This record gives sequence, structure tokens and C-alpha cells, in this order.
Amino acid sequence: NAGVTQTPKFRVLKTGQSMTLLCAQDMNHEYMYWYRQDPGMGLRLIHYSVGEGTTAKGEVPDGYNVSRLKKQNFLLGLESAAPSQTSVYFCASRTGYEQYFGPGTRLTVT
Amino acid sequence: GENVEQHPSTLSVQEGDSAVIKCTYSDSASNYFPWYKQELGKRPQLIIDIRSNVGEKKDQRIAVTLNKTAKHFSLHITETQPEDSAVYFCAASSGYSTLTFGKGTMLLVSP
Repeated sequence: NAGVTQTPKFRVLKTGQSMTLLCAQDMNHEYMYWYRQDPGMGLRLIHYSVGEGTTAKGEVPDGYNVSRLKKQNFLLGLESAAPSQTSVYFCASRTGYEQYFGPGTRLTVT
Repeated sequence: GENVEQHPSTLSVQEGDSAVIKCTYSDSASNYFPWYKQELGKRPQLIIDIRSNVGEKKDQRIAVTLNKTAKHFSLHITETQPEDSAVYFCAASSGYSTLTFGKGTMLLVSP
């Protein structure tokens, strides 16, 4: 099992550009999450999904959209990137109580 | 919503000493309290968790205690080693809802 994977690992965007981050899991988990991690701020929840076709807002959803068309994939989109979205993005999936994290995507917006 | 406070933000100890990290939470409905370790450039990994029906849980050199009345829980690491150096995050959730994380504690263990 690959577990939770994220694509890409690194990305540099210019302000106003758009992009999509892909999270994939092969553990048949229902729940999936997108977090951002900034220095001194811990992990903050952006959006999450409780199953295929569902999405919900987390703590910091503004500027992001998500889709869960297939159970194994959870996409995070930035429609018009801003420097404030420079961060490390982690995806996670869950079975029972435990969340399993992907390796992260480091995004820089200039 | 839930609010989790974590202290201290940094902690330096000598190898072999004990380390204690404390967290408080606000939602009395929270019943699941995991601790994650994150090494530099790596993903967070679960090291231990506790549910509200127990007051303490141990796993070798790591233990977690929970005081539901006071709404706080703590991570205890004994006989620290340099490889314990990392950022540690506490979190809380109620049932199968979302996790709310503390801001993290950077633990540095000096040889």
C-alpha cells in the first residue's frame, strides 16, 4: 500500500495563477482532509470530506475549493493564488479515530 | 468550536531527562486526544492517543495523561534521546468529527 500520496511535492506560483493539488489514498478511507501548516500556527483545517461526493468547510476555507469525485481522491484547488497562501499543505485520510497524513506539498506564491 | 492551547512552544532538555508538554481544550464534548510527532521536513505521525474513558496510557517511554474535569492532557517522554527531537502536536476531537490541533512544541534533546 502506498498509503496517502500527494502531487506535486513542490510548486511555485505567481500571484493570480491557479492550480490543483491532488491527494490520493489506497486504504479505502471514507474521511479525507486538507490542512495547511504555517510556522507557529500548527495544522489548520481547510476543507474535509466524509465520503465520495461530499465536502465541508474547515477553519480556513477562503480562497480554496475542493472536490471528491472518487473515494480515493481529494482535490484542493486555488483559483487565484495569493502570497498569503504560501504554505505547506498536508492531506490526510482517516479510519476509525486515527488520521494518516500524506508527505505534504510545499507551495510558494510570489 | 474547539480551541486547543499547547505549552510550551519550545522545550530544551538534556539527553536522559524527562519532557512534559501540556495541552488544554475548550469543548467538553471532546473525547479523543492524539499526539503527533513531526520531524523536520516530514509528515506528522501519530505516536500515542487517548480516549476519554481512560486517564492514562503508556507506550514504552511515552505516556499521556488526561484530566477531563480540568480539560487538559499532557505528553510525558522519559529518558529522552536525541532522536526524540522534533515538533510535537496535540489535538482534540469529539467522536468522528474533525481534529483541532495545538500550535506545536519544538523539543530539542541535547546529547
